[in-house]
Amino acid sequence: ILNVEQSPQSLHVQEGDSTNFTCSFPSSNFYALHWYRWETAKSPEALFVMTLNGDEKKKGRISATLNTKEGYSYLYIKGSQPEDSATYLCAFIKGAQKLVFGQGTRLTINP
Amino acid sequence: KAGVTQTPRYLIKTRGQQVTLSCSPISGHRSVSWYQQTPGQGLQFLFEYFSETQRNKGNFPGRFSGRQFSNSRSEMNVSTLELGDSALYLCASSAVTGMGFSSYEQYFGPGTRLTVT
Repeated sequence: ILNVEQSPQSLHVQEGDSTNFTCSFPSSNFYALHWYRWETAKSPEALFVMTLNGDEKKKGRISATLNTKEGYSYLYIKGSQPEDSATYLCAFIKGAQKLVFGQGTRLTINP
Repeated sequence: KAGVTQTPRYLIKTRGQQVTLSCSPISGHRSVSWYQQTPGQGLQFLFEYFSETQRNKGNFPGRFSGRQFSNSRSEMNVSTLELGDSALYLCASSAVTGMGFSSYEQYFGPGTRLTVT
């Protein structure tokens, strides 16, 4: 993988269900991986910054894992709520100062 | 703390003109990055400034330039505007204190929506 790839591109989930999506990135020369949530008409908001293989981070109902050896990160949302509807972006650090963003996963929670 | 601010929020320009966008980072943040967001390309890195120095640049033509002032405020300039420059331009600041910002989350501003006609 040369760039950051996110899957799926979009996702519709029923309120209350749990969901997860994937960010794949180059496994060589890893510095860090960022996750951001971008709600419509708002600015992207940082969720997690992950730097170590095996990292697991949690914020409320949202958690993320990181596997730097195989080049992927999973984002999990437990018990989805309408306010979770947003585009979720991951960004791979290419070099020390350059973030390369994926295209995002657009999540829609159906009430 | 006040968040990242960007001015103007909306701008309409004509092809061939130039434009300057402004970004004020969170107080105390010395790193400011600029991004372009278009429907087709997603969020793309333009450049990053730290203590008035450009440390890294994305793959954009030389028409895109920037600078940072001693108070960490940053400006981005696009000369000879093209229709394809129509986009949302976001700036972000981070609390990085040294060489790399990989471990530091970015705080994004609301963006400037530029339309080129």
